[in-house]
Amino acid sequence: DTEVTQTPKHLVMGMTNKKSLKCEQHMGHRAMYWYKQKAKKPPELMFVYSYEKLSINESVPSRFSPECPNSSLLNLHLHALQPEDSALYLCASSPRWGMNTEAFFGQGTRLTVV
Amino acid sequence: GDSVTQMEGPVTLSEEAFLTINCTYTATGYPSLFWYVQYPGEGLQLLLKATKADDKGSNKGFEATYRKETTSFHLEKGSVQVSDSAVYFCALFMDSNYQLIWGAGTKLIIKP
Repeated sequence: DTEVTQTPKHLVMGMTNKKSLKCEQHMGHRAMYWYKQKAKKPPELMFVYSYEKLSINESVPSRFSPECPNSSLLNLHLHALQPEDSALYLCASSPRWGMNTEAFFGQGTRLTVV
Repeated sequence: GDSVTQMEGPVTLSEEAFLTINCTYTATGYPSLFWYVQYPGEGLQLLLKATKADDKGSNKGFEATYRKETTSFHLEKGSVQVSDSAVYFCALFMDSNYQLIWGAGTKLIIKP
């Protein structure tokens, strides 16, 4: 299994809603990542988890709250988002953080904030 | 700081044409280099990689050679297909900060 699975694929939420994005991998990878990608732009790193511990937070607003319940799962909790947060949210994993190997990406969740 | 520069798109070619997408980088050390592809409405997939100078990465008919002397990692394919239409991202990985640095992406359009 070389897949990173993200759910849901599409999400529309109001500015007062609370929702969560989910990501799962069963490759035994111990580094997991959240990226945000706006249209026609490269992905921007948001968070890095290494061995289930938050290792990097790229100055992301607190309305985004990551969680890594175990080595296979990564969540992104969303609360009080703004319309400018509408984007494709990508989860990725790699064997170890800092290793010179490629990251495996999920298909993404396309988020629209209304 | 470290950076990646890709040729601007869109690049429009006819089917069976030869493809080159230029990528150059600036880095203080010896990065690993990657090409990722993003098909419409999808996530990112690794296309190929090279970890040291003169390495050639190849996959699905695409090739790229890590050229340290010109700090380049140009993507090539001998005969493109309509199904190759996508956005292609060049990226480098630095051991010093453990992060992927991305190019801006190049949109490729292949016409039948």
